[in-house]
Amino acid sequence: EAGVAQSPRYKIIEKRQSVAFWCNPISGHATLYWYQQILGQGPKLLIQFQNNGVVDDSQLPKDRFSAERLKGVDSTLKIQPAKLEDSAVYLCASSLTATGRNTGELFFGEGSRLTVL
Amino acid sequence: KQEVTQIPAALSVPEGENLVLNCSFTDSAIYNLQWFRQDPGKGLTSLLLIQSSQREQTSGRLNASLDKSSGRSTLYIAASQPGDSATYLCAVNTGFQKLVFGTGTRLLVSP
Repeated sequence: EAGVAQSPRYKIIEKRQSVAFWCNPISGHATLYWYQQILGQGPKLLIQFQNNGVVDDSQLPKDRFSAERLKGVDSTLKIQPAKLEDSAVYLCASSLTATGRNTGELFFGEGSRLTVL
Repeated sequence: KQEVTQIPAALSVPEGENLVLNCSFTDSAIYNLQWFRQDPGKGLTSLLLIQSSQREQTSGRLNASLDKSSGRSTLYIAASQPGDSATYLCAVNTGFQKLVFGTGTRLLVSP
C-alpha cells in the first residue's frame, strides 16, 4: 500500500516570496492534516480536512497561509508571503475516519522542508 | 489547553539496555495516545496507538502503557539497538483526530 506522498521535499525561498506544497494521502483516507514542525519542537496542527471540508483551521495563520483539498483527495498548502519564522517542515498526514469516530491512526508523509532566507 | 511534555529531552545509552521514555499530558480527556518515531530529515512513523480504554499495547520490543487518570504514558524499549536511535514523539488525540504533540525524546543508542 502506498503511503502519504508529499512534494517538494525541500524548498528554499526568500522572505515575501510564495511557496506551495502538495500532498496525496493514502487511498481511501477521508481525513487529511497539515502539520508544521519547527526545529526542536513537536508538530503543530495547521488544518484538518474531512473529505473536502475543513474541520479545524484554528491554528492556521490565515493572513498568509491557505490550503485546499479539491475533490476530497489531494491537497495543497500555500504560503504567501513567506516570513523567516515559516522555516519548518510541513508534514501531511491522513487517516481512515468517518464522521464522529475518533480512534483512527494517523499516517504521515516524509514532509516538505522549507527554508526562508 | 492540552499540553504534552516528554522527559527526558535526550537520552544516550549503550546497546542492549532496556529504557523508558515518559510522556505526560495535562488534560485526561483524551481519545487515544499515539507514539511515533522520527528519523532525521524524515516524517513520522507510527509505533503504537493506545485507545483511552486500554492500559497498554505491545509491538515487538516496544511496550506502551497509558494511565489516563494520572495523565501519563510510558514507552518501554527492550534490549535497545543502534537502529533504535531516533526522536520519539508522543501525541494525544483530543477529539476528532486532533493530535497534540510533545517535543520529543532524542534517543542515541551506541554500539
